[in-house]
Amino acid sequence: DAKTTQPPSMDCAEGRAANLPCNHSTISGNEYVYWYRQIHSQGPQYIIHGLKNNETNEMASLIITEDRKSSTLILPHATLRDTAVYYCIASNTDKLIFGTGTRLQVFP
Amino acid sequence: GAVVSQHPSWVICKSGTSVKIECRSLDFQATTMFWYRQFPKQSLMLMATSNEGSKATYEQGVEKDKFLINHASLTLSTLTVTSAHPEDSSFYICSARLQGAGETQYFGPGTRLLVL
Repeated sequence: DAKTTQPPSMDCAEGRAANLPCNHSTISGNEYVYWYRQIHSQGPQYIIHGLKNNETNEMASLIITEDRKSSTLILPHATLRDTAVYYCIASNTDKLIFGTGTRLQVFP
Repeated sequence: GAVVSQHPSWVICKSGTSVKIECRSLDFQATTMFWYRQFPKQSLMLMATSNEGSKATYEQGVEKDKFLINHASLTLSTLTVTSAHPEDSSFYICSARLQGAGETQYFGPGTRLLVL
């Protein structure tokens, strides 16, 4: 699986959009990009995943660059409950290998 | 949908005893389940992949005789920590793979183990 790189931490004001970047420059053609988040002392929560096209669901939007070397997770209107560690994972296998993620702090 | 449960949510045991943790997919069948471990302020570490009806596949460095995994049905996998020691104290998390949906994994809420 391709290695991903994320900033260690980010802040976002409540109500504003949170844009979380992820670099996966060595991603291969059949690897999906998955996003999960982990709120303190809980199991990871699935957010969204995609292969080539941008994706949107009720939680977030995933924007994947045309060369697929990076992606951005967008939480359109962040709330205090979105404070968590966000993990970006590139994988084409059963396994999900977690990196260190981005700690997003949403403040009032 | 896609709910995964774990039991117990937390457990305290004495050193040398064995502890069993259950992972259930409540509303879907999972041919593959995964077990992770997470130490404080660290990321999740994959321990093993559990396939229904066959032996689990362990990641490098994970002792298969210490962490016994059984995946007896399409909705249940168990992890038994045998002869637990204080260094086994950790947050154990399972996940189940939902087939037919880009192989998305859904995670349980985790089990916190404290070995005294």
